[in-house]
Amino acid sequence: QKEVEQNSGPLSVPEGAIASLNCTYSDRGSQSFFWYRQYSGKSPELIMFIYSNGDKEDGRFTAQLNKASQYVSLLIRDSQPSDSATYLCAVNNYKLSFGAGTTVTVRA
Amino acid sequence: GAGVSQTPSNKVTEKGKYVELRCDPISGHTALYWYRQSLGQGPEFLIYFQGTGAADDSGLPNDRFFAVRPEGSVSTLKIQRTERGDSAVYLCASSLTRGLSHNEQFFGPGTRLTVL
Repeated sequence: QKEVEQNSGPLSVPEGAIASLNCTYSDRGSQSFFWYRQYSGKSPELIMFIYSNGDKEDGRFTAQLNKASQYVSLLIRDSQPSDSATYLCAVNNYKLSFGAGTTVTVRA
Repeated sequence: GAGVSQTPSNKVTEKGKYVELRCDPISGHTALYWYRQSLGQGPEFLIYFQGTGAADDSGLPNDRFFAVRPEGSVSTLKIQRTERGDSAVYLCASSLTRGLSHNEQFFGPGTRLTVL
């Protein structure tokens, strides 16, 4: 079993819709979780982190964490074409363990 | 201020050659990480420095890979006897400290290594 698994993509959503990204992790002791966005040919950039159970909202992004289910998700509301990128889930145990990423395409 | 910088941005080499990849972290960041990203995959951890010492090198794939950070700032990743399977983007990241559970790691632009 991989340490971090993300729902397979690619994910295509129309502009203005909600994009939902899922991630599960295997290490029950993990404490904090990051979502990175990576545009093609660029390096990852952090968009959100979460370490408490529940929801965390930042603008159009909402991260959700359920430690009992070892599950992290990211919702992108009112998706824009500029959100088209690969989204990487990472578990932070001082070193980051990444999932393979989910590629999102927002159709104008 | 300046972000993490990496040189070269691209490196093409022949199988069996030696290469060095350089990372210059954000000023004041004590923690430095190297990752490797293959096409279609997420970054894979290689090695972590806290100051000058390698605190965790468990991700280095074999003894052809070595990294140093002699003065606690710039780091060099060294790959001996390169193989075609070493072709990937090598990413460097730095953070203020590893003490916080949610310390943000800032990534450099990466070095794309191609071994022919």
